[in-house]
Amino acid sequence: DTGVSQNPRHKITKRGQNVTFRCDPISEHNRLYWYRQTLGQGPEFLTYFQNEAQLEKSRLLSDRFSAERPKGSFSTLEIQRTEQGDSAMYLCASSSLRAPYSGANVLTFGAGSRLTVL
Amino acid sequence: RKEVEQDPGPFNVPEGATVAFNCTYSNSASQSFFWYRQDCRKEPKLLMSVYSSGNEDGRFTAQLNRASQYISLLIRDSKLSDSATYLCVVRDNDMRFGAGTRLTVKP
Repeated sequence: DTGVSQNPRHKITKRGQNVTFRCDPISEHNRLYWYRQTLGQGPEFLTYFQNEAQLEKSRLLSDRFSAERPKGSFSTLEIQRTEQGDSAMYLCASSSLRAPYSGANVLTFGAGSRLTVL
Repeated sequence: RKEVEQDPGPFNVPEGATVAFNCTYSNSASQSFFWYRQDCRKEPKLLMSVYSSGNEDGRFTAQLNRASQYISLLIRDSKLSDSATYLCVVRDNDMRFGAGTRLTVKP
């Protein structure tokens, strides 16, 4: 396992199109998080899963954003009807509640998916 | 009030300097605390966890004051390679990040 994998790395789309990002977490990690990051800001929490259960989704930026983790492994983040303001880096991270205490809740991030909406 | 607030920075210091970053959090029930480091155009990576009694890792010292809801990071003997953005992270049920403080260490 080589860490958290995100695809695509870059996506350029026209306003109004739908986009989907995929995240493959570290295989033994049961928690998966999605964040959005814009230039000069820290990662902004969007949602997270524990196994296949989505435990928090109130921070998704609008009803155009949705995320799934159907089998508790990979996850997808979809943005419908994209707007220019959606342009950002979308980061996925995973962690394990089963790790030794010193490792519990430590996030490992993927390299991110950069979205540009024209 | 933001959930996690950090010094806005940027901090520009010479090599060998000592620099301190501060962070405050709004939820008194927050459970765990961390400092992450993010290099330009890279993903954040864990620098260190922050324990109630304070902890040290080489040149880095982290402290937590639960009563004041305050976390700090001290970097001694700064190196050029310490130049990065330092992110304060607080765990409630999920993990919330501050906006980050940018550090540039100059020769």
